[in-house]
Amino acid sequence: EAGVVQSPRYKIIEKKQPVAFWCNPISGHNTLYWYLQNLGQGPELLIRYENEEAVDDSQLPKDRFSAERLKGVDSTLKIQPAELGDSAVYLCASSPRWREINEQFFGPGTRLTVL
Amino acid sequence: QKEVEQDPGPLSVPEGAIVSLNCTYSNSAFQYFMWYRQYSRKGPELLMYTYSSGNKEDGRFTAQVDKSSKYISLFIRDSQPSDSATYLCAMWGNRDDKIIFGKGTRLHILP
Repeated sequence: EAGVVQSPRYKIIEKKQPVAFWCNPISGHNTLYWYLQNLGQGPELLIRYENEEAVDDSQLPKDRFSAERLKGVDSTLKIQPAELGDSAVYLCASSPRWREINEQFFGPGTRLTVL
Repeated sequence: QKEVEQDPGPLSVPEGAIVSLNCTYSNSAFQYFMWYRQYSRKGPELLMYTYSSGNKEDGRFTAQVDKSSKYISLFIRDSQPSDSATYLCAMWGNRDDKIIFGKGTRLHILP
């Protein structure tokens, strides 16, 4: 069974440019998470989806970040415009349902470098 | 004070040694305690999770939770070079209903 798929794996852009990350969760997983992982830090939740509904986006900087999960399957996270401080790894994770911690799986992440 | 504190290391030990990794936390509301392993350029993978206090063993790995001291540990017996990775502690059950991760400890097992 395929795991959580993310693309691209690496992205280098100049500041003020837009960027988008894509995530395809494990089949049948209703809950999808986007995390931000800065160098030397643990992941921090940006947004959590239950099917197509964003149920926790309190940590998402809404002035420049947006996310969507239109059909309750794959998801896109966008930054516009990117800033130098956005350089980090963006992780996607999924689980069958919220609170099933032992069934939450992470993707490999997208490493963003903003120049 | 951060909710979860973890020494970032790096920690270098010889192959075959027992490794002890630790975290402290400040929020007594946490009920679930997890350990993740993260290899370079990969996402975290769940190693062990424990509900409330006590010990849990899985092969060479043992997780301990002491809620009275707000202290959790992960022990790795007979450590192998393949155990070299970053180990993240994480906790859940607070009012925000979010998993809170530590910074991670980088572990190097020397052949």
